Amino acid sequence: EADIYQTPRYLVIGTGKKITLECSQTMGHDKMYWYQQDPGMELHLIHYSYGVNSTEKGDLSSESTVSRIRTEHFPLTLESARPSHTSQYLCASSEAGAGANVLTFGAGSRLTVL
Amino acid sequence: QQQVKQSPQSLIVQKGGISIINCAYENTAFDYFPWYQQFPGKGPALLIAIRPDVSEKKEGRFTISFNKSAKQFSLHIMDSQPGDSATYFCAASLFGYQLTFGKGTKLSVIP
Repeated sequence: EADIYQTPRYLVIGTGKKITLECSQTMGHDKMYWYQQDPGMELHLIHYSYGVNSTEKGDLSSESTVSRIRTEHFPLTLESARPSHTSQYLCASSEAGAGANVLTFGAGSRLTVL
Repeated sequence: QQQVKQSPQSLIVQKGGISIINCAYENTAFDYFPWYQQFPGKGPALLIAIRPDVSEKKEGRFTISFNKSAKQFSLHIMDSQPGDSATYFCAASLFGYQLTFGKGTKLSVIP
């Protein structure tokens, strides 16, 4: 049973559209993350949050933005999607402190931009 | 600059055989080395992890071997089963900080 939920699982949209990928977790974790995953490539951290009202950019530059208004919710938004944004986006969460390295991942949102 | 290098990219093993996946890291300050397992259509899940104060950790059929001087660590899957077919990611981090992942190894265990 998943404790971290991502919607939509699959999305096909046209260039220029605004999209929001939703991520919610029920574990009360302080830290949340967004990773971008392409086939044959490592997971790239694009955004993370240490808690409510905290957001930071990750190692991989991304045109997306995130918000953390509630502990359990960490949506990712693309204001104007382009074909280069086609990828799988994985949301994850972890405890703070000693548990920070144990990530729980969602099933992912696969985005295709035509 | 890739801080964690993983090999091979893909691996085919017969049922009952031993699967071995290797990773090398560059940052000697890393002190936490997990392996994640990802099945198709699912997110990665933590499989097993090790800290550099031990050279080996075993959980069931899965073993991590760690060589601090060589800056390498590996995952061994004994008695590999078709249900082990998945993509495996090694990772490394400073304790409490963000993980750096390898590129992944797609394992196929054939009957």
